[in-house]
Amino acid sequence: QKEVEQDPGPLSVPEGAIVSLNCTYSNSAFQYFMWYRQYSRKGPELLMYTYSSGNKEDGRFTAQVDKSSKYISLFIRDSQPSDSATYLCAMTSGNQFYFGTGTSLTVIP
Amino acid sequence: DTGVSQNPRHKITKRGQNVTFRCDPISEHNRLYWYRQTLGQGPEFLTYFQNEAQLEKSRLLSDRFSAERPKGSFSTLEIQRTEQGDSAMYLCASSSEFSEAFFGQGTRLTVV
Repeated sequence: QKEVEQDPGPLSVPEGAIVSLNCTYSNSAFQYFMWYRQYSRKGPELLMYTYSSGNKEDGRFTAQVDKSSKYISLFIRDSQPSDSATYLCAMTSGNQFYFGTGTSLTVIP
Repeated sequence: DTGVSQNPRHKITKRGQNVTFRCDPISEHNRLYWYRQTLGQGPEFLTYFQNEAQLEKSRLLSDRFSAERPKGSFSTLEIQRTEQGDSAMYLCASSSEFSEAFFGQGTRLTVV
């Protein structure tokens, strides 16, 4: 079983839609959770960083962590064509970071 | 500080040659990570340093791979006797202890 599972998609939505991206994990020691956005042939760009369970909002982005279910989510409101990218979840217990495979998102104008 | 810097951005090499990549982390970060990413996959952990000490290495890191971080600043990743299966994006990231990691733009290696 992989440490982190993420549906690779692809996911295609119309502009203005609410997007929900999710990851599940198996290691209960994970305490720190991140979402990255990655454009083609570029390095991952940090979007959100949360510690333990709860919600965090930053502009159009909301990250949720449910440690009891070992489930994290990223919501994108009012999605824009510029949001088209691959979204990677990542998590750590304090040493190396474990990544999902990434979800490919296309926002259609 | 402009973030994590990686050089070169692209490298094409013949099979059997040695290659070396460099990473300059964010200056106040004491942790530095190397990851490898292939198309359609998430980054795979290779190794990480805390200051100059290499604390963890993945089983993926065969004896052809070696990484150094002299003086706890920049790091180099060397691949000896490259194989076609080494073709990938090599990503470097840095962080403070117990904080998020910031990535460079990566070095894309093509072995022909």
